[in-house]
Amino acid sequence: RKEVEQDPGPFNVPEGATVAFNCTYSNSASQSFFWYRQDCRKEPKLLMSVYSSGNEDGRFTAQLNRASQYISLLIRDSKLSDSATYLCVVNKPGGFKTIFGAGTRLFVKA
Amino acid sequence: DTEVTQTPKHLVMGMTNKKSLKCEQHMGHRAMYWYKQKAKKPPELMFVYSYEKLSINESVPSRFSPECPNSSLLNLHLHALQPEDSALYLCASSQGPTGGAGNTIYFGEGSWLTVV
Repeated sequence: RKEVEQDPGPFNVPEGATVAFNCTYSNSASQSFFWYRQDCRKEPKLLMSVYSSGNEDGRFTAQLNRASQYISLLIRDSKLSDSATYLCVVNKPGGFKTIFGAGTRLFVKA
Repeated sequence: DTEVTQTPKHLVMGMTNKKSLKCEQHMGHRAMYWYKQKAKKPPELMFVYSYEKLSINESVPSRFSPECPNSSLLNLHLHALQPEDSALYLCASSQGPTGGAGNTIYFGEGSWLTVV
C-alpha cells in the first residue's frame, strides 16, 4: 500500500461544477496535511492546510478524517483557472520527510 | 510570489560538464530541501539540510553534491550527469521539521535541467 494515495485522474468538469478529490494516508501518526496545486511546468504551491475541524477558503473546502485516514478537497463553482494538478501531501512524524500523493489532474472546460 | 529563489531557471549541460544550481530563501527557515521532479510525477526528495547540516540523503548518486553555505543558501553541484537526470529540480524550505504540526514546505520556481 502506498503511503499516500489519491484519486486517479484526470477529472474533466464544466465551469461551475463542484468537484471533490480524496486522498488516503497510511501512517496514523501523521500530524500535518496539505493540498498543493501545481500548474503545468510550475512549482507546487500551497493551496491550503488541512485541519481536523475542516477548513474553508473561498470556493475550497478541506476535510480531514483521522479515523478513516483520509483527506478531501472540495472545489465549488469551478473556474477555468482551477485547471491544474492537485497534490495531497502528508508529513511523516518526527522528521523532515514529506510524502506526496501522485497528484490528480483537473481540467475545467468552458 | 515565492520567497524561495532559484537560479538558473534553465540549464543545459553536457555529460562531462560541472555546473551548480543555487537556491536562496529569506524567510528565516531552518530547513532546506532539494527535490527532483520528472514529468507527470510528484516531487521526489533528494536532500534535506537542517540548521546547515545534512540531515537526509535519499541515496542520491554522488554525481549530485549538495552544499549549504549558510542558513539562507543551498547549492546543488552537478558533475558527470546522465541524460536521465534531466528534470525539474526544486528547492524548498520549511521553518522546522515537517513532521511537526504546522511546518509547511515552500517551493522555489525550480530549475529546469537538460543533460545532453
